[in-house]
Amino acid sequence: DAGITQSPRHKVTETGTPVTLRCHQTENHRYMYWYRQDPGHGLRLIHYSYGVKDTDKGEVSDGYSVSRSKTEDFLLTLESATSSQTSVYFCAIGVGEVKYFGPGTRLTVT
Amino acid sequence: AQSVTQLDSHVSVSEGTPVLLRCNYSSSYSPSLFWYVQHPNKGLQLLLKYTSAATLVKGINGFEAEFKKSETSFHLTKPSAHMSDAAEYFCVVSDLMTGNQFYFGTGTSLTVIP
Repeated sequence: DAGITQSPRHKVTETGTPVTLRCHQTENHRYMYWYRQDPGHGLRLIHYSYGVKDTDKGEVSDGYSVSRSKTEDFLLTLESATSSQTSVYFCAIGVGEVKYFGPGTRLTVT
Repeated sequence: AQSVTQLDSHVSVSEGTPVLLRCNYSSSYSPSLFWYVQHPNKGLQLLLKYTSAATLVKGINGFEAEFKKSETSFHLTKPSAHMSDAAEYFCVVSDLMTGNQFYFGTGTSLTVIP
């Protein structure tokens, strides 16, 4: 347990609605990440942050935005949810070369 | 470019027998390699890591992995499987050229038969 919490843990939403997922860490690490996990794909990087207000895109960033106004919080927003964004979303923190993962958020878009 | 291939999507072993989960990687620089385990409906837990020190790496719960540069492999082994080892296992590569970004394999599902 690396002091990472994610909220909500489960969410069902309708196509076209905005959704925000929250990642919170208690240890003030600089690097934070959002991944999605889909069968047959492992985990894929959506966005990451290397400090407050410093973010960058990952390999599957289309349809997602992020914000980091405080060191401890990293928010992932689906601007207009689509069925293809049904997935399990994991937040991670970077500690040296290692990443530690949160418990995940299962999002279903109907 | 960095990539990881996990050679088996599913592995079944009997309890008490050895476990071998295979991973090959591609990296244009000196890689760091990791194995993570994911139990059902849980997050990912670090099992072990290789970061250019000893090539035989010991991890938690009796797992170990050997870095073989000539074979570009990082296979995960355990001498005797336990029922609690049933989970999904992910091999991951990263290197300094990509800012320590992680590249995941597609995972191997381990079933342990009583």
